[in-house]
Amino acid sequence: DGGITQSPKYLFRKEGQNVTLSCEQNLNHDAMYWYRQDPGQGLRLIYYSQIVNDFQKGDIAEGYSVSREKKESFPLTVTSAQKNPTAFYLCASSITSGGGEQFFGPGTRLTVL
Amino acid sequence: AQSVSQHNHHVILSEAASLELGCNYSYGGTVNLFWYVQYPGQHLQLLLKYFSGDPLVKGIKGFEAEFIKSKFSFNLRKPSVQWSDTAEYFCAFEMDSSYKLIFGSGTRLLVRP
Repeated sequence: DGGITQSPKYLFRKEGQNVTLSCEQNLNHDAMYWYRQDPGQGLRLIYYSQIVNDFQKGDIAEGYSVSREKKESFPLTVTSAQKNPTAFYLCASSITSGGGEQFFGPGTRLTVL
Repeated sequence: AQSVSQHNHHVILSEAASLELGCNYSYGGTVNLFWYVQYPGQHLQLLLKYFSGDPLVKGIKGFEAEFIKSKFSFNLRKPSVQWSDTAEYFCAFEMDSSYKLIFGSGTRLLVRP
């Protein structure tokens, strides 16, 4: 059963702690993306990666970091520098980095206390 | 800056009513256009897309959208909604077949049985 998995579904952290969100895909897609979804604001792009060992900042990269050591994995770290980290985080992938449909995971809801 | 405007944040309809959700984008170049839907408790999934050709595109579940280039619009329509269409709908566009999807803020549709 192909798709994108994100874990955990809900995550709670104390303020000042870094936290890493997992994203795995078995669709053999080259490109992967991280979005943040806030009520009334739609989805905003945090980081994206077109190929292994390469990634670029999106519109709201400050306070976040990523790695792409394997094609199927694209973890996102929310650092303590992110001023407002409580949000719903969505991972997506696509066959190519442009001109194609993106497939989304179920999301992780992060709450920072 | 490039953006997408979805005019209605909340829409409430009775079953069998007709639906039209507005979407306007701000970008003067070539675009690919998408409508995504997020049903309660489910992944964000593609409803329909426009890349080129016939500006009237048909998607899943009886939805269609019309690209009007002169108006920078891509409105979503369905002649007769069902209770199962209750969801949040997002319009998005991609500039010049780049990596980047720019999303609108979403429209929450509630269909009353």
